[in-house]
Amino acid sequence: GAVVSQHPSRVICKSGTSVKIECRSLDFQATTMFWYRQFPKQSLMLMATSNEGSKATYEQGVEKDKFLINHASLTLSTLTVTSAHPEDSSFYICSARETATVFSYEQYFGPGTRLTVT
Amino acid sequence: AQTVTQSQPEMSVQEAETVTLSCTYDTSENNYYLFWYKQPPSRQMILVIRQEAYKQQNATENRFSVNFQKAAKSFSLKISDSQLGDTAMYFCAFMKHANTGANNLFFGTGTRLTVIP
Repeated sequence: GAVVSQHPSRVICKSGTSVKIECRSLDFQATTMFWYRQFPKQSLMLMATSNEGSKATYEQGVEKDKFLINHASLTLSTLTVTSAHPEDSSFYICSARETATVFSYEQYFGPGTRLTVT
Repeated sequence: AQTVTQSQPEMSVQEAETVTLSCTYDTSENNYYLFWYKQPPSRQMILVIRQEAYKQQNATENRFSVNFQKAAKSFSLKISDSQLGDTAMYFCAFMKHANTGANNLFFGTGTRLTVIP
C-alpha cells in the first residue's frame, strides 16, 4: 500500500512552453502533497505544499506564477511549469501525506519526473 | 528555522562490514521526528528508519539502527552487514510534530554511500 505515482517520468520540452506534472496517491487519500526539486547530486528542496481544495503554500524564493500547483482532489496534485526555460531543468519529486489520521507523519514519495528544457 | 547537517558527502564500506553515517540538526522544537531516507540510482526515495524524539529507545529496522542523542542533537545511522544493494544516497531529515496542517520535511545534503564488493 501507500503508493504514489508521477506522470510523466521524464519530459523534454522547448523553451517557452508549459509542462504539467501529475502526482497521484493510488491507494490512499492525501489532503496534503508536497513538491520538491532536486538538482544533480544535491538534496531535495521543498518548493511548495499543496492542500486539497485550497491554495498552495510556496516556499520563499519560489515563483508561484511560474510553478502553478492545483490540488483538485484527495488523490491528485499537479505542478505546471509555465514558460519553461533551461534553468527549470531539474528532477521534480512529489510526496503525499495520508489523510487517515491528523497525526500522521509519514510521507510517501513518488518516483520523480525529470524535466529537460531545450 | 530547522537545519540538518550531514558532514560526510561520501563514504564507502566493504561488503558485510558496518558503517555509520552522521547527522546533526538544529531546532528549538521539543517534539519532532527524525528520518533516514535512501535514494538509490532509480531516484525513488525510500524510508529507511524513523525516530520519534519523545522516545528514548533507539529505533532499529533489521540491519539499520540509529544512535539518537537528543541533547547533542545527533542522529546517526548504522548499517550492519552492508550489502551491495545499500549503495545509494542517504538523506537525514527532520519534521516538526504538528497536530494539524502540513508538516514538511527538512533534508540534509546527503551522504553518498558505496558498498565495495
